Amino acid sequence: DQQVKQNSPSLSVQEGRISILNCDYTNSMFDYFLWYKKYPAEGPTFLISISSIKDKNEDGRFTVFLNKSAKHLSLHIVPSQPGDSAVYFCAAAMQGAQKLVFGQGTRLTINP
Amino acid sequence: AAGVIQSPRHLIKEKRETATLKCYPIPRHDTVYWYQQGPGQDPQFLISFYEKMQSDKGSIPDRFSAQQFSDYHSELNMSSLELGDSALYFCASSPPQFANTGELFFGEGSRLTVL
Repeated sequence: DQQVKQNSPSLSVQEGRISILNCDYTNSMFDYFLWYKKYPAEGPTFLISISSIKDKNEDGRFTVFLNKSAKHLSLHIVPSQPGDSAVYFCAAAMQGAQKLVFGQGTRLTINP
Repeated sequence: AAGVIQSPRHLIKEKRETATLKCYPIPRHDTVYWYQQGPGQDPQFLISFYEKMQSDKGSIPDRFSAQQFSDYHSELNMSSLELGDSALYFCASSPPQFANTGELFFGEGSRLTVL
């Protein structure tokens, strides 16, 4: 039962354009949603998060949007840079639960 | 800044052998998590420990066991290894305010190859 889904295994974007990564979830009890970035041979690193009581959180070039009614969130990166090329994991957590549930990841490639 | 330390980074074992992975969390982090990531798959939660007690359990096989010690480091013990256990094993830790942020700090992973 995949509670967090990233339906696009890969995405290719031109440098300077906007990258939009999508994530859907099934469990309405999730309280927090996070995006992690992973380079090869490294562990995932935290990028940005959003609480379920908000619909938008912005941090520099990164913005996460949450649509609770659709159980959907997205990560916008603008402008995209070559260093953004990585695998991006969407994750969700419930208050009081000591774990994150991850999506399958989307490999983002930024083309020069 | 100190990060989560995992050892060994790479491990090769034969089928039916035993392996032990170690994790040293970031200082003052009180919770440790273990994740398994198979080839082309998302990280799957195995188990977590809070203040040396098991706090949550995921899809961890009965052949695996883990514990957290008094210095907060954790060890994942895997016995009767199978080919399907070949994966990247991530350890993560979180500070006491995890409940407010949900943020985990990951180590670089230990790659286990079972031949």
